[in-house]
Amino acid sequence: QKEVEQNSGPLSVPEGAIASLNCTYSDRGSQSFFWYRQYSGKSPELIMSIYSNGDKEDGRFTAQLNKASQYVSLLIRDSQPSDSATYLCAVIGSARQLTFGSGTQLTVLP
Amino acid sequence: NAGVTQTPKFRILKIGQSMTLQCTQDMNHNYMYWYRQDPGMGLKLIYYSVGAGITDKGEVPNGYNVSRSTTEDFPLRLELAAPSQTSVYFCASWNRDGSNQPQHFGDGTRLSIL
Repeated sequence: QKEVEQNSGPLSVPEGAIASLNCTYSDRGSQSFFWYRQYSGKSPELIMSIYSNGDKEDGRFTAQLNKASQYVSLLIRDSQPSDSATYLCAVIGSARQLTFGSGTQLTVLP
Repeated sequence: NAGVTQTPKFRILKIGQSMTLQCTQDMNHNYMYWYRQDPGMGLKLIYYSVGAGITDKGEVPNGYNVSRSTTEDFPLRLELAAPSQTSVYFCASWNRDGSNQPQHFGDGTRLSIL
């Protein structure tokens, strides 16, 4: 069974700083990894996907994947108060079902 | 398009009651999923379906049943509600078109068992 672990947080950073969110996974055969953002009371929203070792950048977001270490991270540069949310790491299975970590709650302080 | 629609949005049940959470998608997606999310936790997969007439258990199926008679609908049934089933339930769908497009989530059903 796939397991996904996240640093539980909560994490607080000042506005304009870099927020770093980390995730490890147990299944060495996993190929596809996702970061979802979830505002309180809302459904998850996909913000990044990554499939190859290395970095993938999209605006202020950078996802990093290291398959040898079974490690995925998300960096948020120039953090804004609107980035305050819970961030969920997820791994996809053979039937496209998602296994989620428990999430890291991020607060960006003005 | 409406996307994935879940009803009801909120519900309070008494222990031992039964109910059906409805999920409908209008995107002609083959794959549909039910997740639950307990407070402060990630989502856990309850059941999923890869097409009409085909369902399979996820990580936490006990206490639930599903059916998939049409492509559009994937209802989740609670037969004997228990306090441990108090949670937020999310339905999601995905199209098997070979892409890596994300799952489409509904807005959730918030269920309390008292």
